[in-house]
Amino acid sequence: EAQVTQNPRYLITVTGKKLTVTCSQNMNHEYMSWYRQDPGLGLRQIYYSMNVEVTDKGDVPEGYKVSRKEKRNFPLILESPSPNQTSLYFCASSLGLAGDGETQYFGPGTRLLVL
Amino acid sequence: DQQVKQNSPSLSVQEGRISILNCDYTNSMFDYFLWYKKYPAEGPTFLISISSIKDKNEDGRFTVFLNKSAKHLSLHIVPSQPGDSAVYFCAAPRGANNLFFGTGTRLTVIP
Repeated sequence: EAQVTQNPRYLITVTGKKLTVTCSQNMNHEYMSWYRQDPGLGLRQIYYSMNVEVTDKGDVPEGYKVSRKEKRNFPLILESPSPNQTSLYFCASSLGLAGDGETQYFGPGTRLLVL
Repeated sequence: DQQVKQNSPSLSVQEGRISILNCDYTNSMFDYFLWYKKYPAEGPTFLISISSIKDKNEDGRFTVFLNKSAKHLSLHIVPSQPGDSAVYFCAAPRGANNLFFGTGTRLTVIP
C-alpha cells in the first residue's frame, strides 16, 4: 500500500530534550516536506527536500532541522524543543513539485506537546 | 500574510443536500488551486483541483468552481453524505514545493 508513515504519532516531552520525528514514504517520491498545523493558521511548511541531500527552508524553519540521507526518509529534528513548538506535524511527499500543482501525500500526523 | 482564506470555520448541512465551501484568495497570479480533505487523526488527502484556465472541474459528487474576477473558488458537494464530514482545506501553489493553505472549514453532514 502506497503510504507515508510517521512515528511517533503522539509525543509529550519537556523543554530542551532533543527529539526526532521520523517520516518514511514507499512511493519513490523525489519531494518531501514537513508542515505544522496550528489553530487559525492552517498548515505551514517547515522544511522541504527536492532530493537526497537537498533540503531548503519553508515558512517556519526556526528551531527545526531536517536531513535527507535516503530517498524514502525525511526525519524532523527538534534539537531543543520549546513550548511554542507544541503543534500537529505532518510529513508529505510528492512525485513532482507542489508548486506545479502536484498532489502531495500526507502522513497521519504527529501530535507533539512540549511542557 | 494569509493569501488563501476560508472565512467559515464550520458548516452543517443535512444529508442529501448541497454543501458549499468557500475560499478567497488575494494573488491573481495563482494558476492552480487544490482542495484537501482531512478526517480526525489522519493526514490531509487530495480531493480535487482546478487550473486557472478553467472555471469548473467536476469529479463525481464534487465540483469546484473558480471565479477569477472575484478571486473566489467554491467546492460543491452534491448530495452530501455523512462520510463527507471532515475538515476541508483549499490551497494554492507557493514557490517551488510549497502551498498556501487556508485555515480549513469543518463540514458536518447531519444524517
